[in-house]
Amino acid sequence: AQSVTQLGSHVSVSEGALVLLRCNYSSSVPPYLFWYVQYPNQGLQLLLKYTTGATLVKGINGFEAEFKKSETSFHLTKPSAHMSDAAEYFCAVSGGGGADGLTFGKGTHLIIQP
Amino acid sequence: DAGVIQSPRHEVTEMGQEVTLRCKPISGHNSLFWYRQTMMRGLELLIYFNNNVPIDDSGMPEDRFSAKMPNASFSTLKIQPSEPRDSAVYFCASSGTGQETQYFGPGTRLLVL
Repeated sequence: AQSVTQLGSHVSVSEGALVLLRCNYSSSVPPYLFWYVQYPNQGLQLLLKYTTGATLVKGINGFEAEFKKSETSFHLTKPSAHMSDAAEYFCAVSGGGGADGLTFGKGTHLIIQP
Repeated sequence: DAGVIQSPRHEVTEMGQEVTLRCKPISGHNSLFWYRQTMMRGLELLIYFNNNVPIDDSGMPEDRFSAKMPNASFSTLKIQPSEPRDSAVYFCASSGTGQETQYFGPGTRLLVL
């Protein structure tokens, strides 16, 4: 069984500031980890994923995340926030080599202050 | 590729009516997933198929919900009878063989009055 905890349902940062969205997971098997972004009234778009290998993964739009097994974390970061980053962000975990369905966190609403 | 296609995009119905949601996965993908998104429960997996066969339907809330995948290019999620608590956004996603990335459709926003 898997579970995901996203700390902070809302995160507000100033434009140009560091973005840090936190995700902790629980999994009984080696996890595959994902970050998805959802813009208003749209579907989910993959930002980045960790499967195996390098623990620091880079995604689209300047985002990256680091898999830390010892901390069971997969936090999402971006050095400099842009107004267009305002959206809902979901962390998700999958077991079974990624062939199973995803278990999502509750989501974090990212607000960018001008 | 056109991506995952869902129809209708919006559905308003009255309690007790039958609702059918449709999904066309990305061509060549062999896994299909149905999710539901609500404010209270977030994103939940309802059911998924592999090569048109249901693999895990443990997320289907009750017998009022049923899903089928008659062929590799089409799936339906049916609610009969519908209830106001079924109001949600329903997403379909697909993935290819050996691929862990799921590609999501735009969703169907269902409102049951």
